[in-house]
Amino acid sequence: NAGVTQTPKFRILKIGQSMTLQCTQDMNHNYMYWYRQDPGMGLKLIYYSVGAGITDKGEVPNGYNVSRSTTEDFPLRLELAAPSQTSVYFCASTKSRTGVNEQFFGPGTRLTVL
Amino acid sequence: DAKTTQPPSMDCAEGRAANLPCNHSTISGNEYVYWYRQIHSQGPQYIIHGLKNNETNEMASLIITEDRKSSTLILPHATLRDTAVYYCIAHSGNTPLVFGKGTRLSVIA
Repeated sequence: NAGVTQTPKFRILKIGQSMTLQCTQDMNHNYMYWYRQDPGMGLKLIYYSVGAGITDKGEVPNGYNVSRSTTEDFPLRLELAAPSQTSVYFCASTKSRTGVNEQFFGPGTRLTVL
Repeated sequence: DAKTTQPPSMDCAEGRAANLPCNHSTISGNEYVYWYRQIHSQGPQYIIHGLKNNETNEMASLIITEDRKSSTLILPHATLRDTAVYYCIAHSGNTPLVFGKGTRLSVIA
C-alpha cells in the first residue's frame, strides 16, 4: 500500500490565485481529514469527512472547500489565496472502528502565498 | 476530548531511556491515550495507544497511572532519529484528533 499520498509537495501562489491540494489513500479508510500546521504550532483541523459524500467543518475552515466524491480522494480547494494561508497542509485517514483511532498521515504540502 | 498537558521540551542522551510525561486529569472513561510523534517536516506518526493497562510495542512503552490522570511514554534506548515533537492526545471514537503543541524531544549524542 502507498498509504496516504499528497500532491504537490511544494507550491508558491500569488495572492488571489486558487489551487487544489490533492489527497489520496489506498487503505479503504472511511474517515479523512485535512490539517494545517503553522511554524512552531500544533496541527489545526480544517475539514474532515466520514465517508463519500459527507464533509464537515473543523476548527479553521474559512477560505477552504472540500469534496469527497470517492472513498479514496479528498481534495482541498483554496479560493482567493491569502498570505495567512501560508502553511504546511497534512491529509490523514483512519478506518472506522469503535474505540481505536490510529490516523495515517501523508507527507504534507508546503504552501507559500506571496 | 480531554485536555492534555506536556512539558514543552526535553533532552535525552543517546542510548538512554527517554521518559515523556503527560497529564490528562479530566480524561473520561471511554477515552484512550494516544501518542504520536512528528519528525521535522514530516507528517505525524502513530506510536502507541492505551486505555487502562500498560502497553508495549516495537517502538515504545506506555505507562498509564491507575487513576488514568497521567501517563508516560518510554523510548527505551533513544537514538538521534528519535528527535521529534511528541504529542499526547486523549481521545475516543472517530472524531478528529486535537493536537496540542507537544513535547520537543532532543536526543543528544
